[in-house]
Amino acid sequence: GQSLEQPSEVTAVEGAIVQINCTYQTSGFYGLSWYQQHDGGAPTFLSYNALDGLEETGRFSSFLSRSDSYGYLLLQELQMKDSASYFCAVRGVSGGYNKLIFGAGTRLAVHP
Amino acid sequence: NAGVTQTPKFQVLKTGQSMTLQCAQDMNHNSMYWYRQDPGMGLRLIYYSASEGTTDKGEVPNGYNVSRLNKREFSLRLESAAPSQTSVYFCASRRSRDGNSYEQYFGPGTRLTVT
Repeated sequence: GQSLEQPSEVTAVEGAIVQINCTYQTSGFYGLSWYQQHDGGAPTFLSYNALDGLEETGRFSSFLSRSDSYGYLLLQELQMKDSASYFCAVRGVSGGYNKLIFGAGTRLAVHP
Repeated sequence: NAGVTQTPKFQVLKTGQSMTLQCAQDMNHNSMYWYRQDPGMGLRLIYYSASEGTTDKGEVPNGYNVSRLNKREFSLRLESAAPSQTSVYFCASRRSRDGNSYEQYFGPGTRLTVT
């Protein structure tokens, strides 16, 4: 089968750093994506890792270890507007290289 | 450039009624997708279309049909709505060649309630 696991909730304070982990079990793998979704909104793309290592985009970074079937999203200098749900998604499950399978999401609450 | 648009934004149906959710993108993307999202859950793929003229089942296709009308439009049809289909439906699109990235662009969603 296939599964993705990520924590259901994370809380942090403004200015802090938070890491959201994602582990996956799939029959195929092309890459790991991260999406952000504010309440009532649509998911928006944050990052995609096809190779091992760290990708940095401003305050957000994403890491992948294919040998460990593990990745994380790192959010630095947290702001109130970062309060949202964050989803990891695997590309390439069950031979479907052109589709994503999403995790259940991590709800991040940023407090003053 | 509107991106991905969906109609309607909200809909209430009675059990057994049918309806079609519309999706269009103006980014000249080849691939289009339909997802559903239930409270506290991630997105589950219903159907997708890798290119104009092709459609494939996703994780939860039962009770749904799709039509890739042309490159811009991808519709989702519920033939006989059931309360279990109460959900938020998102359409997404992706261009085929995006280098080292794999980005899907999502529409604003359709909130469907079946009573």
